[in-house]
Amino acid sequence: LAKTTQPISMDSYEGQEVNITCSHNNIATNDYITWYQQFPSQGPRFIIQGYKTKVTNEVASLFIPADRKSSTLSLPRVSLSDTAVYYCLVGTVNTGFQKLVFGTGTRLLVSP
Amino acid sequence: GAVVSQHPSRVICKSGTSVKIECRSLDFQATTMFWYRQFPKKSLMLMATSNEGSKATYEQGVEKDKFLINHASLTLSTLTVTSAHPEDSSFYICSAILRLAGAQETQYFGPGTRLLVL
Repeated sequence: LAKTTQPISMDSYEGQEVNITCSHNNIATNDYITWYQQFPSQGPRFIIQGYKTKVTNEVASLFIPADRKSSTLSLPRVSLSDTAVYYCLVGTVNTGFQKLVFGTGTRLLVSP
Repeated sequence: GAVVSQHPSRVICKSGTSVKIECRSLDFQATTMFWYRQFPKKSLMLMATSNEGSKATYEQGVEKDKFLINHASLTLSTLTVTSAHPEDSSFYICSAILRLAGAQETQYFGPGTRLLVL
């Protein structure tokens, strides 16, 4: 299982774009990269998942360079409600099941 | 996205009693579900992998006789904390794997169950 490294915390202001980078130097060929958001006393919420290049959905973008040793979650124009912990995980899919190991996550604080 | 529910959301019990927590995938079938626990301001810790129709696989250090897992159907897994003690008080979260066409998998999480053992 690839280990991930993220900044412990980040601060931002409403309306700004936030980029959270995750390092996963030991990512395997079959590993996907998945990001989750967690609010206090709630289960993690799926944000986005990707394998390479760029993935975009209605809430975020995920940038993955060619070597796949890192990835960046981009949150456009954050609001106060985006204050949460963000987890980057890698796990092998397509081989039975994807066993995920959570790291420390990044605690994002959005201020007015 | 896919919906996973947990019941109950909160439970308070006396020391020595057993507590059952249910995890359901509401709009998809899940042959594999996971159980995590989370302490305050800490990350999620994987406890066990629940496979439909077979025995659960426990992570190192997790007592299988303490945390009984049953995955009797493709939409339901249960975690029973037996003879609960105050140190079992925690936030328990389940997840279920959704497999899409092309075998891409995404893990969706339940809302969690807060257990307090007095």
